[in-house]
Amino acid sequence: DTAVSQTPKYLVTQMGNDKSIKCEQNLGHDTMYWYKQDSKKFLKIMFSYNNKELIINETVPNRFSPKSPDKAHLNLHINSLELGDSAVYFCASSQAWGSYNEQFFGPGTRLTVL
Amino acid sequence: DQQVKQNSPSLSVQEGRISILNCDYTNSMFDYFLWYKKYPAEGPTFLISISSIKDKNEDGRFTVFLNKSAKHLSLHIVPSQPGDSAVYFCAASADGGTSYGKLTFGQGTILTVHP
Repeated sequence: DTAVSQTPKYLVTQMGNDKSIKCEQNLGHDTMYWYKQDSKKFLKIMFSYNNKELIINETVPNRFSPKSPDKAHLNLHINSLELGDSAVYFCASSQAWGSYNEQFFGPGTRLTVL
Repeated sequence: DQQVKQNSPSLSVQEGRISILNCDYTNSMFDYFLWYKKYPAEGPTFLISISSIKDKNEDGRFTVFLNKSAKHLSLHIVPSQPGDSAVYFCAASADGGTSYGKLTFGQGTILTVHP
């Protein structure tokens, strides 16, 4: 049983399009995250939700909008896609919000914007 | 403003020998450190962690050492096995300030263990 799953695994789209990535965790965790791994391989946090409430919002363009319909799901919607949005996006979850919580990662979604 | 740095992009080791992966940080607020392992086309998986109140934590073949004064940590894998070949990420978080509740990652070190 996959703990943190993401769909789709690969996404190829044209500039200007709008796309969504879905994430689900079956661990019963309270906190979920979105990370972006860019071409230089750095993993950088974008957003975090705790009990469906947005608690971390890094300096991400407002074309990116996370949505958490319930504690088990955190989706990422991206409007007006740009070439620079090409990256691997990872969803993660942790039992609670705080600094001593191990985060569990999904397999990633490779987004390619043409 | 890379707060967590892994200065070795890659490391090659013979099976059975020790692998030592290094990580440096600059933010003195960091007080919890983690190592993640990542295989191609998979997400990072948690390996081992250490709190700043300790200087060593061991789990089987994996040991993490923390030198707070030098702002340096290292991961030792003994003995190394071919299945350990992966990208290893160092990460850090703080119990307060702007880094609270989030992980700051290094850029990773590719470990290759040769049979």
